[in-house]
Amino acid sequence: GAVVSQHPSWVICKSGTSVKIECRSLDFQATTMFWYRQFPKQSLMLMATSNEGSKATYEQGVEKDKFLINHASLTLSTLTVTSAHPEDSSFYICSARDLGTKETQYFGPGTRLLVL
Amino acid sequence: EDQVTQSPEALRLQEGESSSLNCSYTVSGLRGLFWYRQDPGKGPEFLFTLYSAGEEKEKERLKATLTKKESFLHITAPKPEDSATYLCAVQARGSTLGRLYFGRGTQLTVWP
Repeated sequence: GAVVSQHPSWVICKSGTSVKIECRSLDFQATTMFWYRQFPKQSLMLMATSNEGSKATYEQGVEKDKFLINHASLTLSTLTVTSAHPEDSSFYICSARDLGTKETQYFGPGTRLLVL
Repeated sequence: EDQVTQSPEALRLQEGESSSLNCSYTVSGLRGLFWYRQDPGKGPEFLFTLYSAGEEKEKERLKATLTKKESFLHITAPKPEDSATYLCAVQARGSTLGRLYFGRGTQLTVWP
């Protein structure tokens, strides 16, 4: 089946630093990838939609300058949390849309970010 | 506005006790309805996609069905390893980028 990886799975950083999270589709090409944030015991909150070769589309209320998204190839999208603060601590999950399986979205394992 | 409502929020079953989870939706033209399973601290795992009313899909102890307004995830003779949060999501026909609208999920606990 379609596999999506994320790296790192865990990251702890100091307040004010930037953190980059990678999302890769391992066995299919994804023109569109999505970035979600999930708070404890809540559902997924879409942050932005990432399209290969173009600018990301951000959801209302998500700061573009704080959450930088780059989709440089058909298998890789990155999310950079700039000048991270404790309130950015969360579980970040990416998904990739596989056009080959009727546009099913496959999710990565998630990245747990803790900002001290 | 596209909406997805899942019920119940939480469900506790004894091993072997069959039940159903509900996902009702309001969308401007359904392109697809998706079921995922999510374990604590992990990303959602794809289970099924349903596209049209009357469609059914099965996988081991799980069976998903779809009507014009809702979907059911039937769990037959569940085992403790079926314990997880089950998420329902819909994709609208007009969505060119394939955005999904998620429900809040049903947290299933199966005890021995």
